[in-house]
Amino acid sequence: SQTIHQWPATLVQPVGSPLSLECTVEGTSNPNLYWYRQAAGRGLQLLFYSVGIGQISSEVPQNLSASRPQDRQFILSSKKLLLSDSGFYLCAWSSILGPGREKLFFGSGTQLSVL
Amino acid sequence: KNQVEQSPQSLIILEGKNCTLQCNYTVSPFSNLRWYKQDTGRGPVSLTIMTFSENTKSNGRYTATLDADTKQSSLHITASQLSDSASYICVVGLGGGADGLTFGKGTHLIIQP
Repeated sequence: SQTIHQWPATLVQPVGSPLSLECTVEGTSNPNLYWYRQAAGRGLQLLFYSVGIGQISSEVPQNLSASRPQDRQFILSSKKLLLSDSGFYLCAWSSILGPGREKLFFGSGTQLSVL
Repeated sequence: KNQVEQSPQSLIILEGKNCTLQCNYTVSPFSNLRWYKQDTGRGPVSLTIMTFSENTKSNGRYTATLDADTKQSSLHITASQLSDSASYICVVGLGGGADGLTFGKGTHLIIQP
């Protein structure tokens, strides 16, 4: 069965420090991978998605970046965190069930607090 | 602008009671509508996925309905349990891919014993 691992679960970082969140998927090959952010009182916002190694699409201009060094590994990074980067970050992978039915499976999330 | 509006924002009901959550959307062109359950501090879990040709979809005690003409959906929970306490998120898709999704802010449901 497929599983998705995301870590760390919580993170407190000072403004201006770097960030690296990692996500790995097991039990499937060549998955579509996604990074979302969920701010308090707001809906999930797609940050990046990837359809293959080295292929990254950015949805929102910001000081974050993503990389996919391996088929089942997706990394979210920042060189210098801002206060506005605080939020709940979710990694996800998708399985295509049929036309119009690409199902998302989410990781357990990382609560990032930038102070 | 593509939007997904959910109501109510929060809801408290007694264990064993039924409840219905609402979702209105302006996403166009519409492809599919999904309902997710998100426990506090966890990632969302898919409950149902419906395309424009489907009117209803059930998953245990959860039943989702879709009216693509009025652009409305509802999620009905039958015989609520304490474990149903969570946020329920309505998500609308432009196409088949997961990169074209618009998420609602969710309804926070609390089940009291």
